[in-house]
Amino acid sequence: EDQVTQSPEALRLQEGESSSLNCSYTVSGLRGLFWYRQDPGKGPEFLFTLYSAGEEKEKERLKATLTKKESFLHITAPKPEDSATYLCAVQEGNYQLIWGAGTKLIIKP
Amino acid sequence: NAGVMQNPRHLVRRRGQEARLRCSPMKGHSHVYWYRQLPEEGLKFMVYLQKENIIDESGMPKERFSAEFPKEGPSILRIQQVVRGDSAAYFCASSPGQENNEKLFFGSGTQLSVL
Repeated sequence: EDQVTQSPEALRLQEGESSSLNCSYTVSGLRGLFWYRQDPGKGPEFLFTLYSAGEEKEKERLKATLTKKESFLHITAPKPEDSATYLCAVQEGNYQLIWGAGTKLIIKP
Repeated sequence: NAGVMQNPRHLVRRRGQEARLRCSPMKGHSHVYWYRQLPEEGLKFMVYLQKENIIDESGMPKERFSAEFPKEGPSILRIQQVVRGDSAAYFCASSPGQENNEKLFFGSGTQLSVL
């Protein structure tokens, strides 16, 4: 069965303390891996798409990387406004996405 | 340029009543997806629609649930005879077309509570 597992479920960091979030997946044919950010009471907001192992993308303090079995979302020197739930999703077919349960990130000032 | 608009934001229904959730996609978008989210769980695909067509409803229960995206007006997700297990956040997302469906634009969701 295709699965997407995110870890940890929750992560508390001090402002400026860098760390990484993990997304591991088991799908037969990956067409894309997506990272979204979700704030409380809001819908997910697109961050990155990765297509092949070795690919990296950056946006401000975030960098996403991809291997054949997992993706990492690295956050460098985070600020309190980076606090959110980060969701990972994989696309196997034409459009259906399989979503992980998310990592709740809390950055304390 | 307004984003994806969902209403109502919160909907309370008693068991057995009907729930109608509305979604207006972003301007220029003709593809709509509905997802359901439970606390501490990932988004679950329900249905994918284009204007006047249901492309894939494999994630939607065959009974009590229906969806439409008419030529004019918003997409509607309809749940008949709601039960407590239907309580969840329902999100709508839109994209301009299948070639660009990788990037989905989400609404803020409708929180359905069934008493």
